[in-house]
Amino acid sequence: GENVEQHPSTLSVQEGDSAVIKCTYSDSASNYFPWYKQELGKRPQLIIDIRSNVGEKKDQRIAVTLNKTAKHFSLHITETQPEDSAVYFCAAGLYNFNKFYFGSGTKLNVKP
Amino acid sequence: GAVVSQHPSRVICKSGTSVKIECRSLDFQATTMFWYRQFPKQSLMLMATSNEGSKATYEQGVEKDKFLINHASLTLSTLTVTSAHPEDSSFYICSATTAGEITGELFFGEGSRLTVL
Repeated sequence: GENVEQHPSTLSVQEGDSAVIKCTYSDSASNYFPWYKQELGKRPQLIIDIRSNVGEKKDQRIAVTLNKTAKHFSLHITETQPEDSAVYFCAAGLYNFNKFYFGSGTKLNVKP
Repeated sequence: GAVVSQHPSRVICKSGTSVKIECRSLDFQATTMFWYRQFPKQSLMLMATSNEGSKATYEQGVEKDKFLINHASLTLSTLTVTSAHPEDSSFYICSATTAGEITGELFFGEGSRLTVL
C-alpha cells in the first residue's frame, strides 16, 4: 500500500513568518493529495488539496506544490497567525476512491 | 456541510469485553466509510474501508476478527472491538464520503476514545 512520510513532526514559527511542511509518498498511482488541519480536540478538516495533473494550487495564505517525479508535495502557509496553530496531516491516495493514507502529522505552533 | 457523528465519544471497558462504536452520516448518504486509529501524537492509521452492503476491506496488519466492521445502511457503519485488551486503547475515528459524488473530501466524525482497563 501507500506509504506517506511527513516532516517535520513539530514546527514553531513566529507570527507573520512562513511555514512549510513536506511529505513524500511511495505509490506512483496516487493521484490526489489533500491536507487536513486538526485543532486540539476537534476533527480533521480539509484545508486544501491538489490533484496529480496540477503542480501548484493556492488559496489565500495557503499553497500546495506537487512534484510527481520526485513523489513529494508540500504545504506552504504564509503570514502565519496564532489561529494557524494545529496539527496538519498530509495524505495521498486515489481521488475516485476517496481512500487516503495519512502522514504522521506536523504540530505547528505559531507564537504571537 | 456534511456532518458525521460518532458515538460514544468516550468509553471505558474491562479487558475481555466487546465495545461497539457507531459512525453516522447525518445529512448525506455515505456509500463508503473509513475507520482509523490514532495513537497519541501520531497520525491517522487507516484500519479498514467499509462499503455499504458488502464486507469491509481491511488494511494489512489489522485483525479482522478483532475489529468487526458492519455497514448495514447508507448512513451507519459500526466498529466492534471484540475481546478488548489494554493495547486496544486508542482514539478511533471514522470518515465518510458522499454517495455518487466524488469530491475527494472526507468528512470525519468526532472520534471515540476507548480505554480498556
